[in-house]
Amino acid sequence: GAVVSQHPSWVICKSGTSVKIECRSLDFQATTMFWYRQFPKQSLMLMATSNEGSKATYEQGVEKDKFLINHASLTLSTLTVTSAHPEDSSFYICSATPTSAPEAFFGQGTRLTVV
Amino acid sequence: SQQGEEDPQALSIQEGENATMNCSYKTSINNLQWYRQNSGRGLVHLILIRSNEREKHSGRLRVTLDTSKKSSSLLITASRAADTASYFCATDSGNTGKLIFGQGTTLQVKP
Repeated sequence: GAVVSQHPSWVICKSGTSVKIECRSLDFQATTMFWYRQFPKQSLMLMATSNEGSKATYEQGVEKDKFLINHASLTLSTLTVTSAHPEDSSFYICSATPTSAPEAFFGQGTRLTVV
Repeated sequence: SQQGEEDPQALSIQEGENATMNCSYKTSINNLQWYRQNSGRGLVHLILIRSNEREKHSGRLRVTLDTSKKSSSLLITASRAADTASYFCATDSGNTGKLIFGQGTTLQVKP
């Protein structure tokens, strides 16, 4: 199957700092990628749709100025959590779907801890 | 937003038994997918069933889809301890890869 790589797999940062998470499609091009957030013992919640070459589309209740998304190439989307606070601590995971397959492929996820 | 409910929320069985998980959703869909997640890790795609399909098999997995009831089930036969994980259904309404997830079922298979 297709491979989506996410980096870093975990990060600890101080309150007020920003953290960047990368999501790469390794063997296919993705004009669209998706970012999800998962709190402990909960399901995945769609945060935003990352669109190559244009602005991201955010789900209701997700602050676009706090979660900056950049999709500058067909294989890379980045999510930057700005001015992180402890309540932003969560598991962030991205996905992409190749045109050759209907199923979504997920990155390994990034566990963010804000202290 | 969550698409719907999954039940049971937790399931504990003995190795060798079958495990059945159910998923309901709210809107019309193009396809429904099942994923497995081991604790604190990424998602592994298990099986996809399209809206015009009623049943699909893959190894020990059997998935059914009832679009009239907006529900799906995942059956794992002859379970193994390695099947212990959380299982999520996810719906794609536009065949875009944008998924709305169910709440998930945590499965424990005891050796």
